[in-house]
This record gives sequence, structure tokens and C-alpha cells, in this order.
Amino acid sequence: DTAVSQTPKYLVTQMGNDKSIKCEQNLGHDTMYWYKQDSKKFLKIMFSYNNKELIINETVPNRFSPKSPDKAHLNLHINSLELGDSAVYFCASRSGGDFYGYTFGSGTRLTVV
Amino acid sequence: AQSVAQPEDQVNVAEGNPLTVKCTYSVSGNPYLFWYVQYPNRGLQFLLKYITGDNLVKGSYGFEAEFNKSQTSFHLKKPSALVSDSALYFCAVRDGGATNKLIFGTGTLLAVQP
Repeated sequence: DTAVSQTPKYLVTQMGNDKSIKCEQNLGHDTMYWYKQDSKKFLKIMFSYNNKELIINETVPNRFSPKSPDKAHLNLHINSLELGDSAVYFCASRSGGDFYGYTFGSGTRLTVV
Repeated sequence: AQSVAQPEDQVNVAEGNPLTVKCTYSVSGNPYLFWYVQYPNRGLQFLLKYITGDNLVKGSYGFEAEFNKSQTSFHLKKPSALVSDSALYFCAVRDGGATNKLIFGTGTLLAVQP
């Protein structure tokens, strides 16, 4: 049973379209994140959510809107897609307390053409 | 602000030889440090972490890392490299505050030659 699952795994779409990526975790974690990995493999935080509430938006354009219907789900909706949005998007969740375990999904490769 | 640096874009090593992938950190307070591995077209897999305690941390797949406070380093090591270890390795540090997000280094590509 996958701990952090993302769908779809691959997404190819045209400029200007709107698309969503879904993330679900079955670990019971309170905190979830979206990361973006660009073409140079740099990993950068986009959003942090704790218990369905947005904690921080890391200067991401407002075309990106995360939504957390419950603490097990964190979806990412992207409006008016641009070529520069092409990247791999990773969802992650974190356990609390002193353990500080972070678990990542397998990623969604978004290609905007 | 917390940060980690991986000074090498790529490390080449022959199979059977020991390997080291370097990471240095800059933090205020106690560092919470992590290593992740990314195989081609795959997600990030957790290798090991240092929170507190013993400076030598053992992790998955035979990897270990040594926390060195005086040198602010957290180098990843393995006594004998395998071709299957070839992958992209990321060092990361926990950023404190409200989010406790992970801040990643730029990654080091490990290439193990047979």
C-alpha cells in the first residue's frame, strides 16, 4: 500500500490549459508539502499545509492553487499553464514529534507544450 | 536561513571502491539533516537522517553518514560501491519554524563504473 501516492504520473498538456495533480497519504501525517523539481533537478518547496490549512506559499505564482479537502489529501491546481511550468512535482508528508520523517510521492512529470 | 551545499555535481567511483558524497550545512540551532536518493524517473527515497545522538548514522542500502559539527559537514559514505548505487543524491536540512520544510542541496550525481 503506497504511503504517498500522486496521480497522474505523467501529464502532457498545452499552454493555457488548466490541470490538477492529486496527492493522498495514508500515513496519518498532519503536514503535507508540494515541491517542484526543475530541469536542472533543483528541488524547491512550493507550499506547506498543516491539518488542511495553508502555512506558507513560497512565492509561487497565484496560478498555482493548492487545496486540502482533508489532512490526507493535498491537490495542486494550475491555471493557464505556461511552458516554464514543465517540471516534476513532488508531494510529501511529514510525521510530527521528534521522529521527523518525510515521505515523498513518486512525482508527477508535467510537460507543457 | 538554513541551507546545505553539495560541492560536487558528479562523483565517479569504481565498483567495489569506497564512495563519499559531500554535504556541508549552515543552520542556526541544532541541525536536522537528511540524505535522499533519486533513481532515474523515480521519486525521492529516504536513506538516513541525523537528529541527535551518535555522529555516525547508518541508513538504507549500506549507506552511512558522519555528522561533524566542527566542520559543519554531513558526508554520505559507503564502504563498497555497487553499480546499482548510481543515482542522484540529495542532502537536506530541516528548516524550523511553522513549516519544518526540507531545504535541499543541489544534488550530486553518483556514477559507479563496473
